[in-house]
Amino acid sequence: DIQLTQSPSFLTASVGDRVTVTCRASQGISDYLAWYQQKPGKAPKLLIHTASTLQSGVPSRFSGSGSGTEFTLTISSLQPEDFATYFCQQRHSYPITFGQGTRLEIK
Amino acid sequence: EVQLVESGGGLVQPGGSLRLSCEPSGFTFSNHWMTWIRQAPGRGLEWVASINPGGSAIHYLDSVKGRFTVSRDNAKDSLHLQMNSLGAEDTAVYHCARLAGTSSIFDYWGQGTLVTVSS
Repeated sequence: DIQLTQSPSFLTASVGDRVTVTCRASQGISDYLAWYQQKPGKAPKLLIHTASTLQSGVPSRFSGSGSGTEFTLTISSLQPEDFATYFCQQRHSYPITFGQGTRLEIK
Repeated sequence: EVQLVESGGGLVQPGGSLRLSCEPSGFTFSNHWMTWIRQAPGRGLEWVASINPGGSAIHYLDSVKGRFTVSRDNAKDSLHLQMNSLGAEDTAVYHCARLAGTSSIFDYWGQGTLVTVSS
């Protein structure tokens, strides 16, 4: 199984900050990586797929990059509604797996 | 507007069974792969199973193979997850989600239904 390791697991930041979350895969997955945002008690929301393609309706302050084994999610200028947990997910091979999550909280 | 609404969760004893359902709306259900993903309390996301539009291709997480069965009824626009031989490790919120095209990109999710396995 492909393991995805996110770092950091926990992040505090302020409104307006630029933040980056990293997702490392245990083997190469090309660009078959997606990012999701989840708020407490809510369903996850797709932000980015295929490593860097922004899902329709997602603000442009979100961006993704990477290929192979290392990927990043960047939020260029944090907004109050961005404080949430973020997960990466690989679709290179079954079983589909997710990272353990990065919880982003207000400083 | 695409919506997915799960039902059927609840409290079940170890070794018991439960059948979850997912009711889609706002899109042509019969055109899409569908999936079940679970999230144990305070934990991350775990993919459980995916089924193709016709129901002829199904993939399962190894730990649920032989215990869980995913099915769909395109005539009634419904997705199901039959769960047997449940254990404490199956306690989680179960989400159904739609796949975008044939890729395992989950573009819409339901809020989920809570399954608690406890005596």
